[in-house]
Amino acid sequence: QKEVEQNSGPLSVPEGAIASLNCTYSDRGSQSFFWYRQYSGKSPELIMFIYSNGDKEDGRFTAQLNKASQYVSLLIRDSQPSDSATYLCAVNMNTGFQKLVFGTGTRLLVSP
Amino acid sequence: EAGVAQSPRYKIIEKRQSVAFWCNPISGHATLYWYQQILGQGPKLLIQFQNNGVVDDSQLPKDRFSAERLKGVDSTLKIQPAKLEDSAVYLCASSGARRADTQYFGPGTRLTVL
Repeated sequence: QKEVEQNSGPLSVPEGAIASLNCTYSDRGSQSFFWYRQYSGKSPELIMFIYSNGDKEDGRFTAQLNKASQYVSLLIRDSQPSDSATYLCAVNMNTGFQKLVFGTGTRLLVSP
Repeated sequence: EAGVAQSPRYKIIEKRQSVAFWCNPISGHATLYWYQQILGQGPKLLIQFQNNGVVDDSQLPKDRFSAERLKGVDSTLKIQPAKLEDSAVYLCASSGARRADTQYFGPGTRLTVL
């Protein structure tokens, strides 16, 4: 079982729709969770982090965390073509120091 | 505030040659990370420094990869000798004391081994 799993996609949504990106993780002791956006040929850019169960909203982005089910998701409302990118889920494993383990990423395509 | 700086941005070498990458973290960030990202995969941690000490190098192929951070600021990652499978983007990231688990990435170095 991979430590952090994501569907590689592509996930295709029309402009203005809600994009839902999901991630599961294996370590029950994980404490913090991150979403990075990576445009083709660019480096990962942090867009959200979440520590507690429930929802956290930032503009058009909402991160959701369910520690009991070991999943974290990212919702993008009113999707725009500029949101087309690969979204990486990263989990801070409970190793005693700050170590992020990344999923393989989900490619999102937003069509005009 | 300046971000993480890396150089060179691109490098093409032949197998068995050596190559070095340089990283300067965000000012004041004590923790520095080197990642390898192969096309279609997520970043994989190679080595993590806390100031000038190594915290985790469990996934660093030590027979050919080395890294140092002598003065606790900038860092160098070296590959010697390079193999075809080392073709990847090498990302440097840093994190600070205020949010120790939040990492910020540099632009990366794209390495092609022929």
